[in-house]
Amino acid sequence: QKEVEQNSGPLSVPEGAIASLNCTYSDRGSQSFFWYRQYSGKSPELIMSIYSNGDKEDGRFTAQLNKASQYVSLLIRDSQPSDSATYLCAVPGGYNKLIFGAGTRLAVHP
Amino acid sequence: EAGVVQSPRYKIIEKKQPVAFWCNPISGHNTLYWYRQNLGQGPELLIRYENEEAVDDSQLPKDRFSAERLKGVDSTLKIQPAELGDSAVYLCASSLYPAGVVWDEQFFGPGTRLTVL
Repeated sequence: QKEVEQNSGPLSVPEGAIASLNCTYSDRGSQSFFWYRQYSGKSPELIMSIYSNGDKEDGRFTAQLNKASQYVSLLIRDSQPSDSATYLCAVPGGYNKLIFGAGTRLAVHP
Repeated sequence: EAGVVQSPRYKIIEKKQPVAFWCNPISGHNTLYWYRQNLGQGPELLIRYENEEAVDDSQLPKDRFSAERLKGVDSTLKIQPAELGDSAVYLCASSLYPAGVVWDEQFFGPGTRLTVL
């Protein structure tokens, strides 16, 4: 069974700071990696996907992938209180089957 | 475009009672998923449908859980009888393409929060 590990947090950062969320995975063959954001009481929504080593930037979000270390991270620049949510890392476990980590709760305080 | 619709949003039942959840995926989406999310955990796949066919139900506790997707559109997930440990959020998701596509984004519904007393 593939595993995805995340620090449950909470990760508390001041408004305007960089939030760094980390995820490790067990399957060296994984090719795709996803970050979902889940607000309290809401459903997960996809915010970033990354397929190759290195960085991928989208607005204030940057996903970083290091396949050799089996490590993927999400950086949120200029963190806002509206970024406060749980961030779920996910790896495919087969065709369109996602294996989710437990999520890291982020709290951005003014 | 309407998103994934689920009902009810909340359900409270006593143990040993039956319960059913309904999901209507995004129009035109062939693949439908049921996930269970326990408190403080990520979603776990219960069953995946390609049109009417259940192609991955390895995580579905078949002694008490059942699901159907008649006509390849909406779907129902049933638990009978419910146990205390079934308390969780049940999420439905859908995606456009069937298996074989390397990756296709899954869109999640709002979920049904089940409490078993």
